[in-house]
Amino acid sequence: KAGVTQTPRYLIKTRGQQVTLSCSPISGHRSVSWYQQTPGQGLQFLFEYFSETQRNKGNFPGRFSGRQFSNSRSEMNVSTLELGDSALYLCASSLGTGNQETQYFGPGTRLLVL
Amino acid sequence: AQSVTQPDIHITVSEGASLELRCNYSYGATPYLFWYVQSPGQGLQLLLKYFSGDTLVQGIKGFEAEFKRSQSSFNLRKPSVHWSDAAEYFCAVDSWGKFQFGAGTQVVVTP
Repeated sequence: KAGVTQTPRYLIKTRGQQVTLSCSPISGHRSVSWYQQTPGQGLQFLFEYFSETQRNKGNFPGRFSGRQFSNSRSEMNVSTLELGDSALYLCASSLGTGNQETQYFGPGTRLLVL
Repeated sequence: AQSVTQPDIHITVSEGASLELRCNYSYGATPYLFWYVQSPGQGLQLLLKYFSGDTLVQGIKGFEAEFKRSQSSFNLRKPSVHWSDAAEYFCAVDSWGKFQFGAGTQVVVTP
């Protein structure tokens, strides 16, 4: 079974631009979660999508948004990029049953904002 | 507030020696606990997980972890470390669908 895939793997943007990251979950998984990883803040939860609906949300500004499609693929969008948005963005998928879930992570998208 | 603490930011261990990484959690209910490993520039790989039952959990790559409710701990162990175990290790708690991670422990393996 193929793992979680994320595209692109690397991205360079400038301040003020917007960016869209993509995540394809493991086949059969209906939940997709997004995390931001930085050296200073560690791994922080952004949001979770299940059946095309946002089910959980972390403490990030509205510039960070996401969506999920009917095939469970998910995209994350960051608008008006700031230097502090430079990070590794990780996507994780799980079955989504909500009970004793295990999250499986993709390789991440490394975003650099100049 | 719920939290996950990994007290050791950095650990250096000799190849062949044993390794123990500490994880303490603060959580109101019975937690679902996980250990993940991250190699440089990579995503997180699941090592093992605890949901319920036997408090000693076996994982991949020769790792095991023991859940101790009385100490609110879920420490990761490996009897004999290999050079390929050099990586960053994260303890995590499933908090109603939101995973909360510890700050991570960087493991360096010396010859």
